[in-house]
Amino acid sequence: AQKVTQTQTSISVVEKTTVTMDCVYETRDSSYFLFWYKQTASGEIVFLIRQDSYKKENATVGHYSLNFQKPKSSIGLIITATQIEDSAVYFCAMREGNVGDNSKLIWGLGTSLVVNP
Amino acid sequence: GPKVLQIPSHQIIDMGQMVTLNCDPVSNHLYFYWYKQILGQQMEFLVNFYNGKVMEKSKLFKDQFSVERPDGSYFTLKIQPTALEDSAVYFCASSTSRDWGGENTLYFGAGTRLSVL
Repeated sequence: AQKVTQTQTSISVVEKTTVTMDCVYETRDSSYFLFWYKQTASGEIVFLIRQDSYKKENATVGHYSLNFQKPKSSIGLIITATQIEDSAVYFCAMREGNVGDNSKLIWGLGTSLVVNP
Repeated sequence: GPKVLQIPSHQIIDMGQMVTLNCDPVSNHLYFYWYKQILGQQMEFLVNFYNGKVMEKSKLFKDQFSVERPDGSYFTLKIQPTALEDSAVYFCASSTSRDWGGENTLYFGAGTRLSVL
């Protein structure tokens, strides 16, 4: 069965440091897509970064990067030089299958990140 | 960036009544989605909608649920009649294509909190 697990419910860091959030997934598909989203205090959900399962290189966007360990079914999110405004709930999500065959996201429970001054 | 607007942000309704949740998707988007998040649980896919039709729905999309987007207006989720277990936050999302991620991003609204009493 498809499943996404985020074991860290809450993380607190000091600004300008690096934080890593864990995510493991379960799938029987050979092709899948992994996403990280951020939910702000206003409730808005914002796409951050994506990793396609066939790509070996870790995705990087701005100060977000991924640690994709396919044999471990793991897709960690790394935020470098954290800022106060990075405080939010971070969701890991997965979509299986080829484009157009399956459009639903399977979500983790989320990790709450608090960045302190 | 592009915004998906959800109206209202909070709706309180008596069990058995009808409720309509409204979503104003990004203007040039063609694919529309509803997700449901019960407090403390994972966000779950309900339905996706394209070209006036339901393309895919989950088992959570009960017979009491319906979606439509008449004449390019709001994309709506209607629940009739409502049940206590329908209490949740409902998120609307839209995209330009089924391949979302990177430039073709799945954009979410801030959610409508539905409380069924």
